[in-house]
Amino acid sequence: TQLLEQSPQFLSIQEGENLTVYCNSSSVFSSLQWYRQEPGEGPVLLVTVVTGGEVKKLKRLTFQFGDARKDSSLHITAAQPGDTGLYLCAGPIITQGGSEKLVFGKGTKLTVNP
Amino acid sequence: ETGVTQTPRHLVMGMTNKKSLKCEQHLGHNAMYWYKQSAKKPLELMFVYSLEERVENNSVPSRFSPECPNSSHLFLHLHTLQPEDSALYLCASSQDPGIYSGELFFGEGSRLTVL
Repeated sequence: TQLLEQSPQFLSIQEGENLTVYCNSSSVFSSLQWYRQEPGEGPVLLVTVVTGGEVKKLKRLTFQFGDARKDSSLHITAAQPGDTGLYLCAGPIITQGGSEKLVFGKGTKLTVNP
Repeated sequence: ETGVTQTPRHLVMGMTNKKSLKCEQHLGHNAMYWYKQSAKKPLELMFVYSLEERVENNSVPSRFSPECPNSSHLFLHLHTLQPEDSALYLCASSQDPGIYSGELFFGEGSRLTVL
């Protein structure tokens, strides 16, 4: 069972379009993170949201954490080819052994065509 | 050099070979991680080291053997792998392994193909 479900799995759009990708869970998270992974690279952290209902903006990217802290969305305005990549959401869970680890969704693969 | 560097970037090995992946972090972090990234699967945490001590082993087969000789270096020793072990292996570091509101810094990954 996936703790974090991301949708859509794939998205191909034209430059200048807007888009939203989603990260959903049936579990409550203390925080959620969004990473972007470009082809041939490792993931890079974009943002961490920690408060239910929080909205954070990073240039053309807007991140929202759901009020119940079970979901998050990423909205990109006027997408550019440089936005192409795999967008991953991640959140911390407590393992059976009592330690904390970060779990990831499968990601949304975004392609922005010029 | 900056950040987290991994070598080799690409590795092809037979099932009977023994090879090692290397990771080095230049950020002064206390925790280092190995993740496996396979197609159609989420990133899977394999091992966590905190201050050179292994603190997490997520039921990883014994054909994967980690080593952390110091807080800046992490190795993943590979032997008698299976074709299904083919994946991108990502190394990451963070300041503290217990606080996930912080940031994971990833290397570029080592693409492993097992024939």
